[in-house]
Amino acid sequence: GAVVSQHPSRVICKSGTSVKIECRSLDFQATTMFWYRQFPKQSLMLMATSNEGSKATYEQGVEKDKFLINHASLTLSTLTVTSAHPEDSSFYICSAREYRGVGYEQYFGPGTRLTVT
Amino acid sequence: GNSVTQMEGPVTLSEEAFLTINCTYTATGYPSLFWYVQYPGEGLQLLLKATKADDKGSNKGFEATYRKETTSFHLEKGSVQVSDSAVYFCALTANQAGTALIFGKGTTLSVSS
Repeated sequence: GAVVSQHPSRVICKSGTSVKIECRSLDFQATTMFWYRQFPKQSLMLMATSNEGSKATYEQGVEKDKFLINHASLTLSTLTVTSAHPEDSSFYICSAREYRGVGYEQYFGPGTRLTVT
Repeated sequence: GNSVTQMEGPVTLSEEAFLTINCTYTATGYPSLFWYVQYPGEGLQLLLKATKADDKGSNKGFEATYRKETTSFHLEKGSVQVSDSAVYFCALTANQAGTALIFGKGTTLSVSS
């Protein structure tokens, strides 16, 4: 089946630094990937839609200058949290969309736990 | 706007008990409905889905029926196992194919032997 990987799985960084999270579709090409954020004991909230070769579409309330998304190839999207602060600590999950002939399927990465100290 | 509401957890059951996790939705048009499962330490996995009214999704003994009249997609399993312990998320996409998922808050299921 389709596999999506994320790297790193965990990262701890100091306040004010930037962190890059990678999302890769391992065995399929994904023109569209999604980035979600999950708070403890809460649901996944869509942050942005990442489209290969074009600018990401951000959801209302998500700062695009803080959460930089780059989808430079059909198998890789990156999320960079710039000037991270403790309130950015969260679980970040990506998904990649694949067309399956009768419609789209979304496959999720295992997530990245970001802790900002 | 579109939204998903699912029952608060945690749900604690004994092995072989019957499981129901309620999910209702609000959506314009004709959404597709999903149940995802997140096992401890793992990523989200699609459990089942239904794309139109009266469709029944099923997988691994779990079932859910798309009820347009009650805007519901309740998850059921006749006999749960310890290995079913996980967080279950109800979700929908709008009527456009391949759009992002909108998730409920998740329900934690704990099954004891």
